[in-house]
Amino acid sequence: GAVVSQHPSWVICKSGTSVKIECRSLDFQATTMFWYRQFPKQSLMLMATSNEGSKATYEQGVEKDKFLINHASLTLSTLTVTSAHPEDSSFYICSAYRSGGADTQYFGPGTRLTVL
Amino acid sequence: GQQLNQSPQSMFIQEGEDVSMNCTSSSIFNTWLWYKQDPGEGPVLLIALYKAGELTSNGRLTAQFGITRKDSFLNISASIPSDVGIYFCAGQGHTGNQFYFGTGTSLTVIP
Repeated sequence: GAVVSQHPSWVICKSGTSVKIECRSLDFQATTMFWYRQFPKQSLMLMATSNEGSKATYEQGVEKDKFLINHASLTLSTLTVTSAHPEDSSFYICSAYRSGGADTQYFGPGTRLTVL
Repeated sequence: GQQLNQSPQSMFIQEGEDVSMNCTSSSIFNTWLWYKQDPGEGPVLLIALYKAGELTSNGRLTAQFGITRKDSFLNISASIPSDVGIYFCAGQGHTGNQFYFGTGTSLTVIP
């Protein structure tokens, strides 16, 4: 399957700081990427859809000013958690959407964020 | 957003046994995907289905796209310890490119 990378794989930060997570599609161009949040033993919760060259589309209840998304190129999307608080601690996973008849999405390995 | 019903929620089986799990939706889907997620990792795509009635295998895994287009099934034959993990289904509808995820099935294989 296709390869999607995420960086960093884990990060610990102090409350009030901002954290940027990168998601890269390594072997195909993705006009659309998705950002998910996952709590322990739960399913994936879609946060936002990242569209290359345009604004991200956020799911209901997700603060766009808190979770800034930038899809600067066809292979890179970034999620910045601004002014992070302990309740933002979670597992964040991105995916790259591959279209063209056989639509599929490939996930990155995830980023574990811990806010102290 | 929409969430698919996946069952069973968890399974504890003996090594060598076969496993069946399913996913149902109130909406019709055009695409069904099945993923496996290990702890602390992102989900890995196992099988993709694109046509109603389609039956696709990937090694010991077999998945089917339900005729009604509202459900899908995943079977694992002769389970082994490395099959342990959480399995998710995902469905994509007519409009947009978003996939909706199932609630997950946690599989434990007892050696």
